[in-house]
Amino acid sequence: EIVLTQSPGTLSLSPGERATLSCRASQIVTNRYLAWYQQKPGQAPRLLIYGASNRATGIPDRFSGSGSETDFTLSISTLEPEDFAVYYCQQYATSVLTFGGGTKVDIK
Amino acid sequence: EVQAVESGGDLVQPGGSLRLSCEVSRFTFSNNWMHWVRQAPGKGLVWVSRISVEGSTTDYADSVKGRFTISRDNAKSTLYLQMDSLRADDTAVYYCAQGPNYYESGFMDVWGRGTTVIVSS
Repeated sequence: EIVLTQSPGTLSLSPGERATLSCRASQIVTNRYLAWYQQKPGQAPRLLIYGASNRATGIPDRFSGSGSETDFTLSISTLEPEDFAVYYCQQYATSVLTFGGGTKVDIK
Repeated sequence: EVQAVESGGDLVQPGGSLRLSCEVSRFTFSNNWMHWVRQAPGKGLVWVSRISVEGSTTDYADSVKGRFTISRDNAKSTLYLQMDSLRADDTAVYYCAQGPNYYESGFMDVWGRGTTVIVSS
């Protein structure tokens, strides 16, 4: 099973700032089979990124994903008020899928 | 817009069984992989299981293998999760989620709102 470790656990930033979230895998995630999701309180998750760097339909271009093998990053170029949420990475390179523990982006 | 609506969540005693359902409101159901993902109170997302378009391939998290069974009825656009030998640590909101197309088996672009399962005596 691939274990995904997200850091930091909490990121305190102000609107307009840039957010950089990390997701590190315990083994190589082949074919960059990594996705990112956003979840707000009381809501279901929303797909942001798949294939490490492809934005899902309707996702603003301030969200971008990068990385390969064991190190992946989600960047939010300029935080909007609606971006404060919890973000999860998820790998789908193996038959047992796994999520990271999440990074909470909150308002400083 | 595709919608997924889960049902069947309840309070159940340890060792008991429960069957969750998820009805998907568009024709894409029969062309997409389907998943169950759960979230314990105040915790992160945990993938539970997935099933292929025809239902011939299923995968499970180690924590539920041998206790949970995923299935689907394409004629009814409905996904199921049969949960047996339930334990307290199965307590969670269970989300039904759909993959984006026939070929993509690993990530999910449509999510339901979840149904709550509480395992307690």
